[in-house]
Amino acid sequence: DAKTTQPPSMDCAEGRAANLPCNHSTISGNEYVYWYRQIHSQGPQYIIHGLKNNETNEMASLIITEDRKSSTLILPHATLRDTAVYYCIVRVTYGGSQGNLIFGKGTKLSVKP
Amino acid sequence: DVKVTQSSRYLVKRTGEKVFLECVQDMDHENMFWYRQDPGLGLRLIYFSYDVKMKEKGDIPEGYSVSREKKERFSLILESASTNQTSMYLCASSSWAGEYSGNTIYFGEGSWLTVV
Repeated sequence: DAKTTQPPSMDCAEGRAANLPCNHSTISGNEYVYWYRQIHSQGPQYIIHGLKNNETNEMASLIITEDRKSSTLILPHATLRDTAVYYCIVRVTYGGSQGNLIFGKGTKLSVKP
Repeated sequence: DVKVTQSSRYLVKRTGEKVFLECVQDMDHENMFWYRQDPGLGLRLIYFSYDVKMKEKGDIPEGYSVSREKKERFSLILESASTNQTSMYLCASSSWAGEYSGNTIYFGEGSWLTVV
């Protein structure tokens, strides 16, 4: 089972910031928070990941609370092409399978003109 | 940019056929994975490989096998296709991760397989 909780859907106006929350209250100290998105009929696209510090890249920012029990993905200026299902995932990245991503139901973000 | 390429985007096969799904990555990644994605069930890991000629079963390996003869190529084989294997199949790759280095899994575009 997925170890994260996300709202099923959100709307955002084009050009505005999209803030997608994720709850991961049972996260372990060695688990990273990952965000992917999936546009219909395509493979998941990696967005960003972090352990405990906030992270930023050319696509988005990731804000992780100090207790690491929740995080927020921020798309600073949403466009219509950002309409997708966004998945928040926690995972250990070493040992074992090295990659069993457990996707939950995600948040369907609809960016509207 | 990392590129994971799946050979076929859409396939239609008959029940009982042997099906090969091919995947190639261009980043010299050690790890490669095959998932299937079905509505309401999310992504499920079929097999993964952490080195040439090495393979490990994932959560749903029954009815599938894999082959990794070269580092960049990972093939998924359906020995005798059945209708319940109709799905989207996703290949992915990643570098080997140490304990304190979060690695990233990169996915291909997916292969839509219909078994009739």
